Amino acid sequence: EAQVTQNPRYLITVTGKKLTVTCSQNMNHEYMSWYRQDPGLGLRQIYYSMNVEVTDKGDVPEGYKVSRKEKRNFPLILESPSPNQTSLYFCASSLVADYNEQFFGPGTRLTVL
Amino acid sequence: AQKVTQAQTEISVVEKEDVTLDCVYETRDTTYYLFWYKQPPSGELVFLIRRNSFDEQNEISGRYSWNFQKSTSSFNFTITASQVVDSAVYFCALSEGTNAGKSTFGDGTTLTVKP
Repeated sequence: EAQVTQNPRYLITVTGKKLTVTCSQNMNHEYMSWYRQDPGLGLRQIYYSMNVEVTDKGDVPEGYKVSRKEKRNFPLILESPSPNQTSLYFCASSLVADYNEQFFGPGTRLTVL
Repeated sequence: AQKVTQAQTEISVVEKEDVTLDCVYETRDTTYYLFWYKQPPSGELVFLIRRNSFDEQNEISGRYSWNFQKSTSSFNFTITASQVVDSAVYFCALSEGTNAGKSTFGDGTTLTVKP
């Protein structure tokens, strides 16, 4: 089944404790992206990747890191999480950027205490 | 800079009513792509439609229709004879051809369809 998977789905952590949210797609898509969803703010793009080893900042990259060492994986790293990073995070992928629709993962609800 | 505005934060209708969700976009590119996504209460995001800037043809898919007007920079979404299952948050999104990779979403419109 074609899909985007994220792990974990739910995470409660404390300020400053490094964490990684994994994202994997099995559709051989070139493009992957991370978003955060906050009430009233829609989806805001954190980072995106046009292909392996190519990443770039979205609109809200502060406090986040990403890497794209393999085509299928695009982990989101929070090296020192803070309470303002409490949010619902979505990973997405598409065949190529801009033209194709994005396929979204199920979301990761993160709470930073 | 690209921008998407969904001015309607929440809309509530009674089943079988028609409802239009507005989307206004800003871009300096001549090549761009517009999308609508649906997020039902279960939380997943589902693609509904894509339009490119060179195709102003309106589209109808069952009870759903989309009206793309470059003159007013709008890409509105109409649900005819709404049903309870249409209750969801709907997002309009924009990607620019020259800024491939950047994707901008509107804040979303929460549609509630009451029985």
